[in-house]
Amino acid sequence: EAQVTQNPRYLITVTGKKLTVTCSQNMNHEYMSWYRQDPGLGLRQIYYSMNVEVTDKGDVPEGYKVSRKEKRNFPLILESPSPNQTSLYFCASSLFASGMYNEQFFGPGTRLTVL
Amino acid sequence: QQPVQSPQAVILREGEDAVINCSSSKALYSVHWYRQKHGEAPVFLMILLKGGEQKGHDKISASFNEKKQQSSLYLTASQLSYSGTYFCGTEIEGAQKLVFGQGTRLTINP
Repeated sequence: EAQVTQNPRYLITVTGKKLTVTCSQNMNHEYMSWYRQDPGLGLRQIYYSMNVEVTDKGDVPEGYKVSRKEKRNFPLILESPSPNQTSLYFCASSLFASGMYNEQFFGPGTRLTVL
Repeated sequence: QQPVQSPQAVILREGEDAVINCSSSKALYSVHWYRQKHGEAPVFLMILLKGGEQKGHDKISASFNEKKQQSSLYLTASQLSYSGTYFCGTEIEGAQKLVFGQGTRLTINP
């Protein structure tokens, strides 16, 4: 089954404790992206990757890191989480062909609470 | 640059029609539409390319006005299952970035 998986689905942590949210897709997609969703603000892009070893900042990258060592995986790293990073996080992937984004497949989401 | 969606929220009775708009100040290459039900991930509806496309499936259709840099999503004879938050995503020409709007919350009552 074609899918994007994220782990963990729920996480409660404390300020300053490093954490990683994993994202994996099995569709051989070039493009992967991380979004955070907050009430009234929609889906804001954190980082995106056009292919292996190619990553770029989205609109709200501060406090986050990513890596793309393999095509299927795109982990999101919070080196020193703060309460303002409490949010719902989505990973997404898609084909990127002929200079155009195709259908975005979203993961189930990770609800993060930073105390 | 985040596209602007309007209205922010709309409440309808079952069977009524709705229009959701998505506007950009920049020239667009494509517009994506997604629906997100409460507690779930966004799900793809359709993509429209520049050139004044129109698309649709079931009673949900959309148009892309290239001159206005605006797309509209049309939901006709709405059903309870149409409830959710609708997002447009826009790809600005030459920018190779896909940016989502703030969402429009649609509530359909019986």
